[in-house]
Amino acid sequence: GENVEQHPSTLSVQEGDSAVIKCTYSDSASNYFPWYKQELGKGPQLIIDIRSNVGEKKDQRIAVTLNKTAKHFSLHITETQPEDSAVYFCAATGSSGGYQKVTFGIGTKLQVIP
Amino acid sequence: GAVVSQHPSRVICKSGTSVKIECRSLDFQATTMFWYRQFPKQSLMLMATSNEGSKATYEQGVEKDKFLINHASLTLSTLTVTSAHPEDSSFYICSARDPDGFSYEQYFGPGTRLTVT
Repeated sequence: GENVEQHPSTLSVQEGDSAVIKCTYSDSASNYFPWYKQELGKGPQLIIDIRSNVGEKKDQRIAVTLNKTAKHFSLHITETQPEDSAVYFCAATGSSGGYQKVTFGIGTKLQVIP
Repeated sequence: GAVVSQHPSRVICKSGTSVKIECRSLDFQATTMFWYRQFPKQSLMLMATSNEGSKATYEQGVEKDKFLINHASLTLSTLTVTSAHPEDSSFYICSARDPDGFSYEQYFGPGTRLTVT
């Protein structure tokens, strides 16, 4: 099955700095890579995603890059703000036995220091 | 984006009792819903895939007789934890796939905190 590794597990940045979270995946058949933000006591919220036919995608202060050859993808948050503080999960999605399964990374706790 | 709700948000029950958690897609019909379990400071673990009108598919290691899933309509899936024990205490999260979106997009509910005493 798919295995997703995510690092770092914790990340502290000063407000206004950039934050980068990296993930690798093992299954070359995976073709959809979402990123989720989870605040304490809440469910994950999709913040950006990328499909395997695209190398980069940007949405305001958030960008994601994908290197299919190396099987890794990254989340970049620029001009970080205190409200960006949360746990971020990367995920890889592919078909398994006819079902689309999402495999999550372990999560990165991001703290933005005002 | 698509909205998924869960009820209750928190529940405390005594050991040996059963608890039902509801997951609803509010503004779309979801043929497929997913149930996850999350322990503190850990990632989400897929428990089962729920398909409307058919039996759920459980992940390896998940007891289907203990975690009963019913997906009776296109907007509602339920997870019943039967004969709950303290080790079942966890954060349970459902998600639904929007069939009008890209086939892999999932939208998550707010989660249900289950505490078994």
